Formats: sequence, structure tokens, C-alpha cells
Amino acid sequence: DTEVTQTPKHLVMGMTNKKSLKCEQHMGHRAMYWYKQKAKKPPELMFVYSYEKLSINESVPSRFSPECPNSSLLNLHLHALQPEDSALYLCASSQKEGPMNTEAFFGQGTRLTVV
Amino acid sequence: AQKVTQAQTEISVVEKEDVTLDCVYETRDTTYYLFWYKQPPSGELVFLIRRNSFDEQNEISGRYSWNFQKSTSSFNFTITASQVVDSAVYFCALSETDTGRRALTFGSGTRLQVQP
Repeated sequence: DTEVTQTPKHLVMGMTNKKSLKCEQHMGHRAMYWYKQKAKKPPELMFVYSYEKLSINESVPSRFSPECPNSSLLNLHLHALQPEDSALYLCASSQKEGPMNTEAFFGQGTRLTVV
Repeated sequence: AQKVTQAQTEISVVEKEDVTLDCVYETRDTTYYLFWYKQPPSGELVFLIRRNSFDEQNEISGRYSWNFQKSTSSFNFTITASQVVDSAVYFCALSETDTGRRALTFGSGTRLQVQP
């Protein structure tokens, strides 16, 4: 199984809603990542978890709250988002964090629209 | 600071043409890794290749080939005999080690359209 599975694939939420994005992998990878990708732009790193601990937070606003309940799961909790947060949210995993000397496997993403 | 430049925003070719996607990078690290990813319309990023800074050998994988030249800080990607299924956005990316910037820094991407 070389897949990273993200749910839901599409999400529309209001600015007062609370929702969560989920990411799952069963490759035994110990590093997991959240990226944000705006239309026609490259992915931008948001968070990195290494061995279930938050390793990198790229100064992401607190309305985005990551969680790694176990080595296979990564969540992104969303609260009080703004329309400019609408984007494709990509999850990735790799064998370990480090110099990315192992390829990262990406999910298909959740396309989020904030109204 | 590290930087990846993909100067070609969009390229359109006709099927069976060869096409080269350019990537130029900047880094102060001596040890770093370069990547190419493909992003089809479905959205997921598909890993194509990883190359470390000490390995300047060119690589060929089927219709794909990569030319890594440290002297010009370039890591170009050539698709030979392009096919419609090659239509996608292609990202070049860099990961450093010395400065601790370990996660991927992506270039802005090149959108390749292969016309039948």
C-alpha cells in the first residue's frame, strides 16, 4: 500500500464552522506533512510531524490546528477560517523527517472553499 | 536562502515532440537534494526523481531524462516523444541539510500541455 488517503476530497465551510481534514497512510512512515496550495501556485509547507510530534510550524495562523493521534493519522482542525484560506490542502508522508532524502508520497488533497 | 526558479510558466507542444523543463536553484548548502514532481489535474503530487548534490550523473527513465549540472545550478527535465498523458504541472523542488531547511521548497511550476 503506497497511498496517502485524504478525506474529504471537497469541503465547503462557512467562516463560523469547525471542520477537520483527515490524512491516513499505512506505509510505516514516521514523518507527515500538511501543505497548502493556492490556485496556480506551488505547495507551501504548513506543518511537519515527526514521530507524532510537531517538528515544524511555518508560522501558520492558529485557526489551523494540526493533530497527529498516531503514526498513521494526521488531522488538520479548521476553525473560523477566512475566504482567503480557500485552497487545496495536501497531506504527505515520508519514511522519516530529515533532508527529504526519501521521496514524499502525497495524497490527492482536500479542496477547501470557505464562504 | 534557498530558491527554486522555473522560468517557463507554460509550455505547449504537439504529441511526439521532445520538451525540456528548466529548473535553476540557489542554495548555500553543500549537501542538498533536488526533486521533480508531476501534478496532474486530479491534484496529487507524483514523485518522479530525487538527486543528491554529490551525484551529477544524468538519469534516464523511459521517456524521462534529467540533466543535473552543479556548475550552472540547474536540474533540467526532458520528456522525449511527449504524450497527451504527460499534460500536467511539473514542479522542481529543493531540500537542504546544512541550514536545517529540510522540507521541500518548490519552484513555481511549469504547466505542460501536450496536444494530440
